[in-house]
Amino acid sequence: ELKVEQNPLFLSMQEGKNYTIYCNYSTTSDRLYWYRQDPGKSLESLFVLLSNGAVKQEGRLMASLDTKARLSTLHITAAVHDLSATYFCAVEVSGGGADGLTFGKGTHLIIQP
Amino acid sequence: NAGVMQNPRHLVRRRGQEARLRCSPMKGHSHVYWYRQLPEEGLKFMVYLQKENIIDESGMPKERFSAEFPKEGPSILRIQQVVRGDSAAYFCASAQGINFGYTFGSGTRLTVV
Repeated sequence: ELKVEQNPLFLSMQEGKNYTIYCNYSTTSDRLYWYRQDPGKSLESLFVLLSNGAVKQEGRLMASLDTKARLSTLHITAAVHDLSATYFCAVEVSGGGADGLTFGKGTHLIIQP
Repeated sequence: NAGVMQNPRHLVRRRGQEARLRCSPMKGHSHVYWYRQLPEEGLKFMVYLQKENIIDESGMPKERFSAEFPKEGPSILRIQQVVRGDSAAYFCASAQGINFGYTFGSGTRLTVV
């Protein structure tokens, strides 16, 4: 059974600081997704990482994937309050996604002024 | 393109009643996935459907839950004889095909009283 673990689960940080969220998964995967969810809202797709060494950046967020270590990171640079949300990583099982996505429990990020 | 449409957004049912949740996938998407999100948890896969076929229902509870995706009309997730533990947010995602990525709807928040 595929397991996806995120840490930390809760993170409170100050504006302007940098931090990293980690996502470990237990079996070989075709691709890894990062999503953002605001309270009471749906999931907003942030990144899709397809191959080992993939790095993608959008604004203050940067995601990377190490398939050998089965690890993805989401790095936040110079955090701002608007980035407060819950961030999920999700893994698609090798073979084409017949089982959909397996999600981590999410990281609740609070950025304080 | 209206995206993935779910309705209702909020649904309140008394214990023992039936709940019907609807999902219209994005235009051109023939793959539909249902997920359940409990408070403070990640999304859990329930079922994967294509038109008129259930492809994988390994995440569905064995009793009271059923899903369909008819040739015409939306996909329906049906919960019979609801209990308090069914209270959750139910999200639908659609995809153009395997390996095409997922688009999530806004979810239906079911409350059982």
